[in-house]
Order: sequence, then structure tokens, then C-alpha cells
Amino acid sequence: EAQVTQNPRYLITVTGKKLTVTCSQNMNHEYMSWYRQDPGLGLRQIYYSMNVEVTDKGDVPEGYKVSRKEKRNFPLILESPSPNQTSLYFCASSPLNIYEQYFGPGTRLTVT
Amino acid sequence: EDKVVQSPLSLVVHEGDTVTLNCSYEVTNFRSLLWYKQEKKAPTFLFMLTSSGIEKKSGRLSSILDKKELFSILNITATQTGDSAIYLCAVENSGYALNFGKGTSLLVTP
Repeated sequence: EAQVTQNPRYLITVTGKKLTVTCSQNMNHEYMSWYRQDPGLGLRQIYYSMNVEVTDKGDVPEGYKVSRKEKRNFPLILESPSPNQTSLYFCASSPLNIYEQYFGPGTRLTVT
Repeated sequence: EDKVVQSPLSLVVHEGDTVTLNCSYEVTNFRSLLWYKQEKKAPTFLFMLTSSGIEKKSGRLSSILDKKELFSILNITATQTGDSAIYLCAVENSGYALNFGKGTSLLVTP
């Protein structure tokens, strides 16, 4: 089944404790992206990648890192999480023309 | 700075009504405009628009783009309770960055 998977789905952590949210897709898509969704602010792009070893900043990259060492994986790293990073995070992938982005199920992160 | 503005922010209608959702944008080097539907989970793709004046249609949903006036509309005819969702508009620039609007929350009552 074609899908984008994210882990974990829910995470409660404390300020400053490094964490990684994994994202994996099995559709051989070139394009992968991370978004955060907050009430009243909609979906905002954090980082995106057009292919292996190619990443670019989106609208809100501060406090986040990504890597794209393999085509299928695009982990999101929070080196020192802060409460303002409490949010719902979505990973998405698509062919390079972004005709249709497939979204993962979301990761709800709470930083206390 | 790229900007996508959706209106209205929320809407309540009765089943059977027709609704029009609006999306206006300002973007450097426009590439495409996309519509998504989000229920209580991840967004799902509805339409991609790249050319002005060409209507995209899927069942009771349709959408059109005006690249001169920089807006798009999403129409839903004969609404059903299952259409209740947040509808998201996103604009892609030539650098492949996607900028989403804040969404329109639609509630269809029986």
C-alpha cells in the first residue's frame, strides 16, 4: 500500500531534550516536506527536499533540522525543543511536479 | 513575501446549499495552486490548477483559477454533511516551496 508513515504519532517531551520525528514513504517520490499546523495559522512549511541531499528552508525553519540521506526517509530533528514548537506536524511526499502530495497521519508534539 | 489568503474563515450551511470558497494569493514566480480537504486527519488532495480559466471538476466539486486577478474559487454544489471539513488552498512557487492559506472551515448541517 502506498503510504507516508510518521513516528511517533504522539509525543510529550520536555524543553531542551533532543528528539527526532521520522518520516518514510514507499512511493519513490523525489519531493518530501514537513509542515506544522497550528490553530489560526494553518499549515506552514518547515523544510522541503527535492531529492537526496537537497533540502531547502520553508516558511518556519527556525529550531528545526532535516536530512535526506535516502530517498524514502526525511527525518525532522528538534535539537532543543521549546514550548512554542508544540504543534501538529505533517510529513508529505510527492513526485517532483507536486501534482498530488501524500500526507502522513501527523505527529502531535507537546513540549512542556 | 508570498501570501495566500482564504475567505471566509468559516462557513455554516444547510445540506443542499451551494458554497463558494475563495483563495487569493501573491507569489513570486507562480507555478501552481492546489486545493486540499482536511477532515479530522491529514489533508487530501482535491485539485491542482496551473492555467487560467480552465475549470477542474470532480463530482460536486469544481475549481477555477484567475491568474490575472490572482485568485481561485472552489465550488461545492448540493452540499452534504460529509463535505464538512477544512478546505486548504496552497500556492507553489517555481522553487517548489508551498505556501498554505489558513483554511476555510465548512460545516454542513442536516
